[in-house]
Amino acid sequence: EVQLVESGGGWVQPGGPLRLSCVVSGFSVSNYWMSWVRQAPGKGLEWVGNIKQDGIEKYYVDSVKGRFTISRDNPKNSLYLQMNSLRAEDTAVYYCARDFLVVSVAMFFDYWGQGTLVTVSS
Amino acid sequence: AIRITQSPSSLSASAGDRVTITCRASQDISSYLAWYQQKPGKGPKLLIYGASTFQSGVPSRFSGSGSGTDFTLTISGLQPEDFASYYCQQYYNHPLVFGQGTRLEIK
Repeated sequence: EVQLVESGGGWVQPGGPLRLSCVVSGFSVSNYWMSWVRQAPGKGLEWVGNIKQDGIEKYYVDSVKGRFTISRDNPKNSLYLQMNSLRAEDTAVYYCARDFLVVSVAMFFDYWGQGTLVTVSS
Repeated sequence: AIRITQSPSSLSASAGDRVTITCRASQDISSYLAWYQQKPGKGPKLLIYGASTFQSGVPSRFSGSGSGTDFTLTISGLQPEDFASYYCQQYYNHPLVFGQGTRLEIK
């Protein structure tokens, strides 16, 4: 059974850092692109960024470029999101998801975790 | 970035009804569109990709159509478990973008 389990969410002050983790079971992350997607309270879904199997090629949405970094540890079957310089507008549930690659960088998400809530507030 | 306009934002219907949700892309995205269902407190679930291809296990009352810029998700014969939120997503290029969502409620 495929499972993605996020952790590391919580309350953080504006400007602070937070690191999220996603531990995967049921497949090997080394074979897949992986993404982070977030959802502000009561709002829609926003893709944050993703990372290729080799951990080198990465893409981010403009609003987090330079502040967020995605990384992975294939032997630990895990994905990470390092968030720095957090803002109130980063408050959201953060999901990790497995990317289904169609061609080039065209990908959708075929498995999702349950999410972890990040609250940025003073 | 490609913009996706999803409508309606909310929809009230009864069990057994047929409903349609629409997504329009700001440019041609061929068939690079997926649909997801999300229930409260849960991660989204993939329903359809390639605009019209079912994910394994998805009931046949769900169907998707369209290509280019205009896409639809149709649910025929609503079941109680279908009352949820629905999102479309373009994957033609980065950044990957979702529609604003449609909340399907019981009338």
